[in-house]
Amino acid sequence: GAGVSQSPSNKVTEKGKDVELRCDPISGHTALYWYRQSLGQGLEFLIYFQGNSAPDKSGLPSDRFSAERTGGSVSTLTIQRTQQEDSAVYLCASSLGQVSSEAFFGQGTRLTVV
Amino acid sequence: GENVEQHPSTLSVQEGDSAVIKCTYSDSASNYFPWYKQELGKRPQLIIDIRSNVGEKKDQRIAVTLNKTAKHFSLHITETQPEDSAVYFCAASREYSTLTFGKGTMLLVSP
Repeated sequence: GAGVSQSPSNKVTEKGKDVELRCDPISGHTALYWYRQSLGQGLEFLIYFQGNSAPDKSGLPSDRFSAERTGGSVSTLTIQRTQQEDSAVYLCASSLGQVSSEAFFGQGTRLTVV
Repeated sequence: GENVEQHPSTLSVQEGDSAVIKCTYSDSASNYFPWYKQELGKRPQLIIDIRSNVGEKKDQRIAVTLNKTAKHFSLHITETQPEDSAVYFCAASREYSTLTFGKGTMLLVSP
């Protein structure tokens, strides 16, 4: 069965460029999460989507970061004017969205800003 | 918002010993507490979870305990094996809300 899929797996971009990271959640999962993991660090929350509710954007580190989720399925995380400190692995996860359900993670996108 | 503290940050044990990782949370409305294991270069994967209506849950060599009054929960691994070596993350969430993770514990099991 298909799990959470993220693309690209790796992205190298020049400082100042915009990047888009894509997440395909498991079919039927209404909750979708984005996290950022710097080398050897923890899981930093970025944004959370739950069904048709307004997303929880409280984790976005600056206004250069934005995300959308179209049709309740695919999500795109956009980083504008990338900076070197944006280099990290960006992880997406999805869950059924019911109370207390397991979140399944994608393999992540490793972003390197040079 | 929720704040999750996790200790220790690193833990070294000998094969066969037990390992205990502890987490505290701040939001009394949190009712779901999963534990994830992340091996080097891989994605986090759920190993066990507990809901606020129970105090303990076991799955073979792994157990989790929850103290709602004190707002802390712990992961216990018995008879550790080298393949248990990984980073372990605790997390907490309330209904229809995001998962807030602790900063992780690197567990090293030496043969």
